[in-house]
Amino acid sequence: DGGITQSPKYLFRKEGQNVTLSCEQNLNHDAMYWYRQDPGQGLRLIYYSQIVNDFQKGDIAEGYSVSREKKESFPLTVTSAQKNPTAFYLCASSIWGQGKRKVELFFGEGSRLTVL
Amino acid sequence: DAKTTQPPSMDCAEGRAANLPCNHSTISGNEYVYWYRQIHSQGPQYIIHGLKNNETNEMASLIITEDRKSSTLILPHATLRDTAVYYCIVRPGGGFKTIFGAGTRLFVKA
Repeated sequence: DGGITQSPKYLFRKEGQNVTLSCEQNLNHDAMYWYRQDPGQGLRLIYYSQIVNDFQKGDIAEGYSVSREKKESFPLTVTSAQKNPTAFYLCASSIWGQGKRKVELFFGEGSRLTVL
Repeated sequence: DAKTTQPPSMDCAEGRAANLPCNHSTISGNEYVYWYRQIHSQGPQYIIHGLKNNETNEMASLIITEDRKSSTLILPHATLRDTAVYYCIVRPGGGFKTIFGAGTRLFVKA
């Protein structure tokens, strides 16, 4: 079945360590996104990518990095520079928005990161 | 992207219609209204979207006012499984950057 796979589902990290969250999609979507969600809050955009080898910062990119070497993959690295990394991280994908009426985001199940 | 305003929470009795309001008074002419919902600890799910006409699908109905400054998502017969956070979003038809607000937490009660 087509969809988005995020891994790991739960992750624990010590302060000062970098950690990489995986996001893979087999929907043949051009665009991919990373969001962060804190308890009781909405989603905040970290990074997004319209096409392979290109990505843009969202609203809260500091302390995070991404790569887009393949169309189906968009990993997110939470670096030690991120002050409060404990959160729920959601990856999404969509068709390219330009000129399209409907641009539906498809989300993965999320990765819950806890910094000890 | 236009900003949206939603009540933080609402209650609804099971089997009754749930009417979730959204204010988007600064919406521009090329921006669509989208609704998503998020069940606890899962990724958000698309529900419906519209530009200026009312829309209906198997999940819900979307009513957009004539001046497009507000809209209402209607779940015609709410069930306990509809308990979730509902997000109202506006975005350009050609754009792809989607900004989520805090949403409305809907509690459906038996």
